[in-house]
Amino acid sequence: DAKTTQPPSMDCAEGRAANLPCNHSTISGNEYVYWYRQIHSQGPQYIIHGLKNNETNEMASLIITEDRKSSTLILPHATLRDTAVYYCILVRRGGKLIFGQGTELSVKP
Amino acid sequence: EAQVTQNPRYLITVTGKKLTVTCSQNMNHEYMSWYRQDPGLGLRQIYYSMNVEVTDKGDVPEGYKVSRKEKRNFPLILESPSPNQTSLYFCASSSGTGGGLNQPQHFGDGTRLSIL
Repeated sequence: DAKTTQPPSMDCAEGRAANLPCNHSTISGNEYVYWYRQIHSQGPQYIIHGLKNNETNEMASLIITEDRKSSTLILPHATLRDTAVYYCILVRRGGKLIFGQGTELSVKP
Repeated sequence: EAQVTQNPRYLITVTGKKLTVTCSQNMNHEYMSWYRQDPGLGLRQIYYSMNVEVTDKGDVPEGYKVSRKEKRNFPLILESPSPNQTSLYFCASSSGTGGGLNQPQHFGDGTRLSIL
């Protein structure tokens, strides 16, 4: 099964961009890359997703490399409320989700 | 309000006593799924359903059953709970169509189960 690899933790200064990497070197051609975040033990919150092209929405940007083997989630101006665990997820045909271990992002004043 | 509702939110019970965690969504989503979350292990998928009467195993289906008799409901059944099923459980739904699942999942608030 294709899996994702993320650093276990990262720090970011408030107001700066947070760049969270994800490696998915065995991704299949029809698998989407999704990013979610989880604050404490609440239900995960959707952030952004993409297949091949870079994507941007009101929360973040997603940069996917041309070979699709890795991606980066960018929070352009991190705030203290962005402190959370961020999950990079592959979604494959048939609905099976493959979670990484997540990156615990700490935004510091 | 569009939402995924899980009940109960908290439950403490004993080994072997059958229990059901209900999940209901009001968004007419075809796809629904159950996850468990344990410290240090992230979220792991238990079962998922692409549509009514269609269910498939995720990564950790042992000890669980599900049913999808109608689109809005997807209950998780523990026929004979054991302590290793003590965990935080999440239900989710999505409008993702076909096999690509190209729409985000909406998660419930979670159910914390303790099996003594």
